[in-house]
Parts: sequence; structure tokens; C-alpha cells
Amino acid sequence: GEDVEQSLFLSVREGDSSVINCTYTDSSSTYLYWYKQEPGAGLQLLTYIFSNMDMKQDQRLTVLLNKKDKHLSLRIADTQTGDSAIYFCAESMNTDKLIFGTGTRLQVFP
Amino acid sequence: DADVTQTPRNRITKTGKRIMLECSQTKGHDRMYWYRQDPGLGLRLIYYSFDVKDINKGEISDGYSVSRQAQAKFSLSLESAIPNQTALYFCATSDQDTEAFFGQGTRLTVV
Repeated sequence: GEDVEQSLFLSVREGDSSVINCTYTDSSSTYLYWYKQEPGAGLQLLTYIFSNMDMKQDQRLTVLLNKKDKHLSLRIADTQTGDSAIYFCAESMNTDKLIFGTGTRLQVFP
Repeated sequence: DADVTQTPRNRITKTGKRIMLECSQTKGHDRMYWYRQDPGLGLRLIYYSFDVKDINKGEISDGYSVSRQAQAKFSLSLESAIPNQTALYFCATSDQDTEAFFGQGTRLTVV
């Protein structure tokens, strides 16, 4: 079955880089996503990557995909207090239903 | 106006009561989803629908039912609510090649 795992918490100092990791089990996943959930809000898509890519960069965000190890990471450069949120990794096959990870709560301290 | 609207936003109900959570979307998408969010468990898929005549069970459908009244509307029902259904519920919509858009969530408490 499909399973997506993340560590539950990450704490970083403002200005440092944050790296949030995710592992998944479904080798047929074709899309992998990162969503952000701010307090009291729904989820918003941050970025996504196709399974035939190994890296995608979008401003402060860098996504790395190791398909062999089924490992996905999200790096946030120059982390700000406004980046404090829960980050969800998700996977789908051919944009079928989304399977989400457990979420990583990122706390940024001054 | 929000792309995905959920009502109510908060609800407290008693064990054994029937409750319906409603979702409507203005994106014109065919696909709609219901998820529940619990601390440490992430979002788990309850039901999903790829068009008006299509309803599929997700990972945790027991104790829930859904109705796709129209392309824009997808409601979730708890026929007889129980305390372990206390959670944050999210509706989402997508199309085949688009991201999923989420509602603001419904916080349900069953006492």
C-alpha cells in the first residue's frame, strides 16, 4: 500500500536553511508535492516535482528527489518567521488521488 | 470569494447524532475529495469523486458517507457520530493536471 512518512518537528533559527524530509513507498508515484498549512488555514501548494526529475528550484525553495531511495526533501533557504507552518509531502500517480504524509511542523525562532 | 468553501467551519455535536459537512467549489473541477486531519497522522483520505457519477472509498471510509450533488458540491455525512471522529476535515478539488485546492477546514468535535 501507499505510505508517506515525515518527521514531526523541525526547529531552525531565522536566516538558516531548513530541510524537511519525506519518504514514500509507492514506486509508481509520478508526482510529488509539498504543501504548506499555516495555522487555522487549509493547505496551499508550494511546489511539485515530476518523478523523472531529480531537482527543482523555485526562489528560496529547492526540491530534491532520490527516486531510487524514494526520498524527497524540501530545502528552504534563508528561513523566515513567516515560514513557520506545517509542511506536508504528498504523492500521486498520474495526478490520481493525493496521499499525504504526516506533516512536519517547522518552527522558526529569532 | 474562496475557491473551495466548507460549511460549517466549526461544529460540536453529540455522540450518535447525524451530521453533514458541506463543500462547494467554484473552480469548475471534476474531482473532489474529503480528508480528515489528526495530529501526527497527517491528512487521510475518506472519500473521493472524479465526477458526478463517481464515488470512491478512501483509506478511512468506515463511519462516513458522501453525496456528490453536482459538479460543484460534495458533502460528507457522519450517520452516527462518535468521539474518535473528532478531527479537522478538509474538502479539496482538482482536475487531472492541476494542483489540489483546499477549503479552510471544518473543525468537528463529537462529545
